[in-house]
Amino acid sequence: NAGVTQTPKFQVLKTGQSMTLQCAQDMNHNSMYWYRQDPGMGLRLIYYSASEGTTDKGEVPNGYNVSRLNKREFSLRLESAAPSQTSVYFCASSVYQAKNIQYFGAGTRLSVL
Amino acid sequence: AQTVTQSQPEMSVQEAETVTLSCTYDTSESDYYLFWYKQPPSRQMILVIRQEAYKQQNATENRFSVNFQKAAKSFSLKISDSQLGDAAMYFCAYPRAGSEKLVFGKGMKLTVNP
Repeated sequence: NAGVTQTPKFQVLKTGQSMTLQCAQDMNHNSMYWYRQDPGMGLRLIYYSASEGTTDKGEVPNGYNVSRLNKREFSLRLESAAPSQTSVYFCASSVYQAKNIQYFGAGTRLSVL
Repeated sequence: AQTVTQSQPEMSVQEAETVTLSCTYDTSESDYYLFWYKQPPSRQMILVIRQEAYKQQNATENRFSVNFQKAAKSFSLKISDSQLGDAAMYFCAYPRAGSEKLVFGKGMKLTVNP
């Protein structure tokens, strides 16, 4: 039972570099989410995808892009990393609606120097 | 704006004792769900319990139970017989009305003392 798998688990970038965080779920869920977690801020939604082929902005989308590659995979891209994007990133999925339980990946700790 | 408030950033409890974590929220909806998530030092977010607002009965999962006061918009988590493994950050959350988005509180750090 893999659930939600995120890669990588840790990453260090220099300012201006780009990278893609990968997320895949094997639970046949329709909805997928990307959050960032900063100290004292809880989890804030970056982007979400209600179903394959659709994406929408969350609370803090600036500086990020996403791709819902297929039903299983939802990637998050930082085109030009900034120190303000230093954070822990979580991918999550749910059956369909937000009233359903969200299942989370193990997170990616990203540092931008 | 819909918000979730966890007023206590940190709490501690002695092993085997009971502790209550508070959460208040603001919504105009009448039918919604509420969640408590746990984040241990491993960083993994784990669902603790879910409450359906239209149900009068408080949700219970083993040592974890909810005190849901709909009129007061309060959703407290009670942990009975606290164990060392309960030490974690706890977040309450609910879906923003009419959307896919979960709104999270800022979290509360629980320490369990042996």
